[in-house]
Amino acid sequence: GAGVSQSPSNKVTEKGKDVELRCDPISGHTALYWYRQSLGQGLEFLIYFQGNSAPDKSGLPSDRFSAERTGGSVSTLTIQRTQQEDSAVYLCASSLMGLDKGDTQYFGPGTRLTVL
Amino acid sequence: GDSVTQMEGPVTLSEEAFLTINCTYTATGYPSLFWYVQYPGEGLQLLLKATKADDKGSNKGFEATYRKETTSFHLEKGSVQVSDSAVYFCAKRAGGTSYGKLTFGQGTILTVHP
Repeated sequence: GAGVSQSPSNKVTEKGKDVELRCDPISGHTALYWYRQSLGQGLEFLIYFQGNSAPDKSGLPSDRFSAERTGGSVSTLTIQRTQQEDSAVYLCASSLMGLDKGDTQYFGPGTRLTVL
Repeated sequence: GDSVTQMEGPVTLSEEAFLTINCTYTATGYPSLFWYVQYPGEGLQLLLKATKADDKGSNKGFEATYRKETTSFHLEKGSVQVSDSAVYFCAKRAGGTSYGKLTFGQGTILTVHP
């Protein structure tokens, strides 16, 4: 079956612009996660959705970052007033239930964001 | 703090050599432990996992054993292949209010030469 998909695959933007990154999880997966991967910081957790609610937003680095999930499916990560330090690969993952600590997270290919 | 520490890389081996990539973690309670792999140009894939102490995860000839007493989850393979060249990430997932969050190590780059 289809895996996690993300769009766009690459995004180049100018400092100060807003960007939206999209994630389509595996069908039937109730849990969805956003991470980012950068050279300096490695892989960092951003936010976790269970259904449409986000019980853990602890990784969002500032109030410029927000995310929503609708219909228990697609999620959008929005970065307002982008800064150069926001440049990274943004990864989305989904898992079947999310409530079991052994639940496997399946990752998408990522969106590479470059802020000029 | 709550962290995962991997041995520093990069690691360069000849084909058929033995591989060990060390991973240790700090956590309260009993997290689940994972190894993910990122092949060149591809996304993160789960390689193996273990959810309780003394469990052994295995896949594609790789193995790792959950050692509670040493808080470790070292990755091993008896005979590496060129196709194993990739970046390997150790990760943990705690219970309680941190159910969702995977905490990753910094990654270890493995290069296998023919």
